[in-house]
Amino acid sequence: DGGITQSPKYLFRKEGQNVTLSCEQNLNHDAMYWYRQDPGQGLRLIYYSQIVNDFQKGDIAEGYSVSREKKESFPLTVTSAQKNPTAFYLCASRTTGGAGELFFGEGSRLTVL
Amino acid sequence: AQSVTQLDSQVPVFEEAPVELRCNYSSSVSVYLFWYVQYPNQGLQLLLKYLSGSTLVESINGFEAEFNKSQTSFHLRKPSVHISDTAEYFCAVSAPSGGSQGNLIFGKGTKLSVKP
Repeated sequence: DGGITQSPKYLFRKEGQNVTLSCEQNLNHDAMYWYRQDPGQGLRLIYYSQIVNDFQKGDIAEGYSVSREKKESFPLTVTSAQKNPTAFYLCASRTTGGAGELFFGEGSRLTVL
Repeated sequence: AQSVTQLDSQVPVFEEAPVELRCNYSSSVSVYLFWYVQYPNQGLQLLLKYLSGSTLVESINGFEAEFNKSQTSFHLRKPSVHISDTAEYFCAVSAPSGGSQGNLIFGKGTKLSVKP
């Protein structure tokens, strides 16, 4: 079945450690997105990529990094510079030039101890 | 730039009662509008969308939303809710063209709690 796979589902890390969240899609979508979700704040855009080897910062990119070496993959690294990394992270994708509908993965919950 | 306001952060209702989740948007250009649903610890699922044409759009599980351009609203309604409708609902807007390249802008969400 086509879809978006995020891993791990749950992740714990100590302060000062970098952690990478995986996002893989087999929908043949060009565009991929990372959102952060905190209670009561909705979804905030971290980074997005419209094409391989290119990506743009979203509204809250500080303390995060991404890469887009393959069309199917868009990993997100939460660096030690991110001051409040505990959150639910959602990856999404869509076709470019379409109606903008996003397809989401199941999310990754990161807890910093 | 577009923005979305969901007027209620929480909506408690009893089972089989009607419900309306309110969403207002602002935009200087024509928009696409979406409602997504999120169950606990899961990703978002598309519930319904308005792109063009009929202003009333329906989902397969009994929800409907009406695009009102003059009031810049896209409220979500269901005439009779079930316990299983308990979830968080997000309204979103995107512009078909422009500098945002069609990125979705989300509201802060409304938690619907259906009580027996």
